[in-house]
Amino acid sequence: GAGVSQSPRYKVAKRGQDVALRCDPISGHVSLFWYQQALGQGPEFLTYFQNEAQLDKSGLPSDRFFAERPEGSVSTLKIQRTQQEDSAVYLCASSPTGQPINTEAFFGQGTRLTVV
Amino acid sequence: AQSVTQPDIHITVSEGASLELRCNYSYGATPYLFWYVQSPGQGLQLLLKYFSGDTLVQGIKGFEAEFKRSQSSFNLRKPSVHWSDAAEYFCAATSGGSYIPTFGRGTSLIVHP
Repeated sequence: GAGVSQSPRYKVAKRGQDVALRCDPISGHVSLFWYQQALGQGPEFLTYFQNEAQLDKSGLPSDRFFAERPEGSVSTLKIQRTQQEDSAVYLCASSPTGQPINTEAFFGQGTRLTVV
Repeated sequence: AQSVTQPDIHITVSEGASLELRCNYSYGATPYLFWYVQSPGQGLQLLLKYFSGDTLVQGIKGFEAEFKRSQSSFNLRKPSVHWSDAAEYFCAATSGGSYIPTFGRGTSLIVHP
């Protein structure tokens, strides 16, 4: 596709349920980011991939959060045993190079997760 | 700690009026600076960025921003606002060696007809 695609757009999960959020980056993009955006806040960094390698996962809030990008394209963010504080919009972004500081990151529309 | 501050949560302007959105940063060295716009239900779109050089940066959609080192600011401006500019605006910064931008909390722009 022409842009970064995220699915589902909306997800309601019962507390304790596991969820998986998908990100399809722009084809050929090397870098991929996941961000968490709480209501009324700016995006907070979760994790960064360069191709299939997860180079930085310092932003993952707990060991319930896990991300993968096994073939260097599609990425999945998994949240186990969801809790209410996990409710947020999860944004994915991709960038064409391995030095994303110098190039624009393209964002998807996000997945809005609501934990009830 | 490195931080980005957007002191205005909401800004209301009339269509056709000028606009300035404030952004202040706290970094040890001059950071790379960005402004993003987020329309309802949409992802973030880059408006402009500053890495070095000319302190007045031109972006898309008629926006510009000025880097002022003495004030640690990177304010976004537009001379005449259109109703379609109503959105959430985020300032972001990253320091040399880090590829992870820190975002401000955002400023919601409301445009009155």
